[in-house]
Amino acid sequence: QKEVEQDPGPLSVPEGAIVSLNCTYSNSAFQYFMWYRQYSRKGPELLMYTYSSGNKEDGRFTAQVDKSSKYISLFIRDSQPSDSATYLCAMSIQGAQKLVFGQGTRLTINP
Amino acid sequence: DVKVTQSSRYLVKRTGEKVFLECVQDMDHENMFWYRQDPGLGLRLIYFSYDVKMKEKGDIPEGYSVSREKKERFSLILESASTNQTSMYLCASTYGGGEEQYFGPGTRLTVT
Repeated sequence: QKEVEQDPGPLSVPEGAIVSLNCTYSNSAFQYFMWYRQYSRKGPELLMYTYSSGNKEDGRFTAQVDKSSKYISLFIRDSQPSDSATYLCAMSIQGAQKLVFGQGTRLTINP
Repeated sequence: DVKVTQSSRYLVKRTGEKVFLECVQDMDHENMFWYRQDPGLGLRLIYFSYDVKMKEKGDIPEGYSVSREKKERFSLILESASTNQTSMYLCASTYGGGEEQYFGPGTRLTVT
């Protein structure tokens, strides 16, 4: 079993829809949770960064962490074609140098 | 803004060649990382370095070596390139443990 599981998709939704992307994990020691966005043929860029449980909102994006269920989510409201990308979740233990990544979900927003 | 640059965006090499991939960061980050990214396999850590001249193996170090002579520069070396090393190579850096990593644009390497 992988430490971090993420449905690779692909996921295709119409413009304006609410998108929900999810990851589950098995290591209860994870405390830092990140979402990266990666456009085709580019490096990943950090989108959201959260520590421990709870919600964090940034514009149209909301990151949610449920440590009791070992489940994290990224919600995209009013999705735009420019949101079409691969979204990777990542997490780490405090003090650890390494991140553990999910496989990435490929998302397409159709105009 | 943190900037991580990689020496080449696209590279084509022949089997058996020695290949150098260079990565430079401009934010005085302690830690630097090399990953490869393949369809269906996600990001896999090859090597990382937490200080000058220090290195640690990641999940898939076989066939690779690294060098970190200066804090800002981290090199990935393919001693004898093989076709199964055709991949997207990504460099990343971060200040310390558990924090977000900043990625370079990637080098798409093709070995023929």
